[in-house]
Amino acid sequence: GAVVSQHPSRVICKSGTSVKIECRSLDFQATTMFWYRQFPKQSLMLMATSNEGSKATYEQGVEKDKFLINHASLTLSTLTVTSAHPEDSSFYICSASVSNYGYTFGSGTRLTVV
Amino acid sequence: GQQLNQSPQSMFIQEGEDVSMNCTSSSIFNTWLWYKQDPGEGPVLLIALYKAGELTSNGRLTAQFGTTRKDSFLNISASIPSDVGIYFCAVNFGNEKLTFGTGTRLTIIP
Repeated sequence: GAVVSQHPSRVICKSGTSVKIECRSLDFQATTMFWYRQFPKQSLMLMATSNEGSKATYEQGVEKDKFLINHASLTLSTLTVTSAHPEDSSFYICSASVSNYGYTFGSGTRLTVV
Repeated sequence: GQQLNQSPQSMFIQEGEDVSMNCTSSSIFNTWLWYKQDPGEGPVLLIALYKAGELTSNGRLTAQFGTTRKDSFLNISASIPSDVGIYFCAVNFGNEKLTFGTGTRLTIIP
């Protein structure tokens, strides 16, 4: 149990376009989800906390207008990278906190902006 | 911000060898978590520690919650090829947010 499904696993987009990444909780309800970014050979850095039915809270230095987060239901959070640029190329990972399971993570999305 | 320093940064070992790594912080924590990340995947929880001095095993993996509550250790015995990956420690600052360590990359030399 406590599976988080993330889609797509890989995406390549042109500079200036927007990309949406989905994170779904498959067998539980998640009022809170977390979005991380990981650059090559670096650790996971928390970008924002996604709250169902309310605005996301962003970590310091993360542009909320660039990384749009929507958590419209208890099983789905989306991250949209708007006007993507090559420096946004990274590995994006979502997670959810689940009672008795701790934190469970999605399999990640490799974004390449060309 | 808070930082968790992991040592060593990388390890190159032969199959069958034992592995030791640690994670240190300047702050005290009530929970220490150890994750493994395979290439192109999200991290997977290996061991969770909830009490200072606690020693917990998961198969060939053993982790310890340091008595000072500022550090934790992970040991892998008799390494096998599937142990390759990046190992991260993580802590919770009491607000549901996880902070990850700098990571230890494990490579097994044929």
